[in-house]
Amino acid sequence: AQSVTQPDIHITVSEGASLELRCNYSYGATPYLFWYVQSPGQGLQLLLKYFSGDTLVQGIKGFEAEFKRSQSSFNLRKPSVHWSDAAEYFCAVGATGRRALTFGSGTRLQVQP
Amino acid sequence: SQTIHQWPATLVQPVGSPLSLECTVEGTSNPNLYWYRQAAGRGLQLLFYSVGIGQISSEVPQNLSASRPQDRQFILSSKKLLLSDSGFYLCAWSTTEKLFFGSGTQLSVL
Repeated sequence: AQSVTQPDIHITVSEGASLELRCNYSYGATPYLFWYVQSPGQGLQLLLKYFSGDTLVQGIKGFEAEFKRSQSSFNLRKPSVHWSDAAEYFCAVGATGRRALTFGSGTRLQVQP
Repeated sequence: SQTIHQWPATLVQPVGSPLSLECTVEGTSNPNLYWYRQAAGRGLQLLFYSVGIGQISSEVPQNLSASRPQDRQFILSSKKLLLSDSGFYLCAWSTTEKLFFGSGTQLSVL
């Protein structure tokens, strides 16, 4: 069965600083990988996804993520964080033939002025 | 365009009372539908998913149930709520590539 680990529960960065949120997955084959963002009291919005091809994926709001098979990782990055990026971020993995996604426990991002 | 509606947005219920959360999808037919729960400080846990009318798969045994009486309607129910049922419940639907979430229901069981 697939699983997802987000080792950082809470991260605080200064506005304008770079950001990297870590995600490690466990799955026997090539996974489908996703990053979602959840603002307080809201549903989840898809930031980006990886299915195949180029391992560096561009998403919305200036985010990108890189799939590294050798490290079983799919870390989310942003070169310059904005105050509006403060939210909770979830990494998720999907498997071939399985319709539902498995989510990590989330990383809460706080942005300091 | 496709939209997903989920209600109510917030709900406070006493222990032992019944529950019914409703989710409807517009702009698509025969969607895969899901119920997730997010407990405070935790990730999302898949509760149920459905690939068609009357077809429900349960991921976690518990006192919740789900039904799909119509193609684009997905209902989460309980006959008697427990304190541990408190959490943020999210309905979702998917294409082959994306999972779209509703705005969620914050359930507090007191």
